[in-house]
Amino acid sequence: AAGVIQSPRHLIKEKRETATLKCYPIPRHDTVYWYQQGPGQDPQFLISFYEKMQSDKGSIPDRFSAQQFSDYHSELNMSSLELGDSALYFCASSLGTAHSYEQYFGPGTRLTVT
Amino acid sequence: AQSVAQPEDQVNVAEGNPLTVKCTYSVSGNPYLFWYVQYPNRGLQFLLKYITGDNLVKGSYGFEAEFNKSQTSFHLKKPSALVSDSALYFCAVRDMLGGSQGNLIFGKGTKLSVKP
Repeated sequence: AAGVIQSPRHLIKEKRETATLKCYPIPRHDTVYWYQQGPGQDPQFLISFYEKMQSDKGSIPDRFSAQQFSDYHSELNMSSLELGDSALYFCASSLGTAHSYEQYFGPGTRLTVT
Repeated sequence: AQSVAQPEDQVNVAEGNPLTVKCTYSVSGNPYLFWYVQYPNRGLQFLLKYITGDNLVKGSYGFEAEFNKSQTSFHLKKPSALVSDSALYFCAVRDMLGGSQGNLIFGKGTKLSVKP
């Protein structure tokens, strides 16, 4: 079965640089969530999209922005990178926003800021 | 605020023995509870969920979880542990406050170690 695809899998950037993370949800899934998992931490919700519109916002810094495109893939844009942004970034998708629906996670993008 | 707590950072069990990974929750209203497993350098894999109905929920890889409303718990269980079950386990609750579209709120995770 098709899963959530994230690219790149690994990314190394320097401080103050920008980064773009991409997420391709499971086919027919119209809802995308972004989470950040710091070293040894639990995943923290950043932002979500439903039908190409931002649906919810969590602890996403103002330096970050995201959008969902017409084909439902999503991109997380990160600017003015800081050392503390080094983390594993997960994208998850679901079929709609009903609370009973499980979210399926991608393998993550490991971002290292030096 | 809605939250889940996993009181154990690590659980050690011998292969073939039953395992339990504990989770308690604090929510307003009815909870939507999930268990995910994370293997090293991998994404989170969905194991099972409780929405409503039977308190005993069966999931993937032989795992099950028992929902206990009076104790506000949702413990993950498996009758016979395998070495390959060794991983990081996260309990999560669906955020339903303030019009949230249902992002997950995770516990801190419990590292399960199964020894041969």
